[in-house]
Amino acid sequence: QQPVQSPQAVILREGEDAVINCSSSKALYSVHWYRQKHGEAPVFLMILLKGGEQKGHEKISASFNEKKQQSSLYLTASQLSYSGTYFCGAISYSGGGADGLTFGKGTHLIIQP
Amino acid sequence: KAGVTQTPRYLIKTRGQQVTLSCSPISGHRSVSWYQQTPGQGLQFLFEYFSETQRNKGNFPGRFSGRQFSNSRSEMNVSTLELGDSALYLCASSLWGQGSNGYTFGSGTRLTVV
Repeated sequence: QQPVQSPQAVILREGEDAVINCSSSKALYSVHWYRQKHGEAPVFLMILLKGGEQKGHEKISASFNEKKQQSSLYLTASQLSYSGTYFCGAISYSGGGADGLTFGKGTHLIIQP
Repeated sequence: KAGVTQTPRYLIKTRGQQVTLSCSPISGHRSVSWYQQTPGQGLQFLFEYFSETQRNKGNFPGRFSGRQFSNSRSEMNVSTLELGDSALYLCASSLWGQGSNGYTFGSGTRLTVV
């Protein structure tokens, strides 16, 4: 089961803030966030691990609620370069250990000048 | 340092044929994962290899297979191609399994099945 992202699309003016949410029905080992621009490969933004450890770009912030299996990505003072599709990916536990990275359907972010 | 390299960039195959895609990870990365990306289904996990062993497999038919070599390079094979296999196939590498430092993606191989 893939994680559920919301909203599906966001249109912002440059300088505005946005929050993208990701939730899973399964117990999570980690949550990943990636951004993909049209015609390009997804680019790693951040990973949030069970237990509170976070690794990623300094200008990106995110949260991970382990009890609710939810994560949020915070984009503040948005710039034109932030436009793209944001994917959350989840690694969950199953009977045999941790599963592979499963992605949500993505959130399309458009930043207007 | 060099990124993740996928070859070829584009492929056109006929239904029923088979295809092999190649992925060279970042030097030192031991984990390689494969994804299928389509407009309708998004990014779907195919499988992950770590130190030549398949660690995880997504929900794809047995026509999709892969392997990893001792130098961490990986190949995926799709046999008996179907029209629905047309997609962008992305490979991603990570230093360790489960992408504990995040995954770096290659530019992908665009497969078109006619």
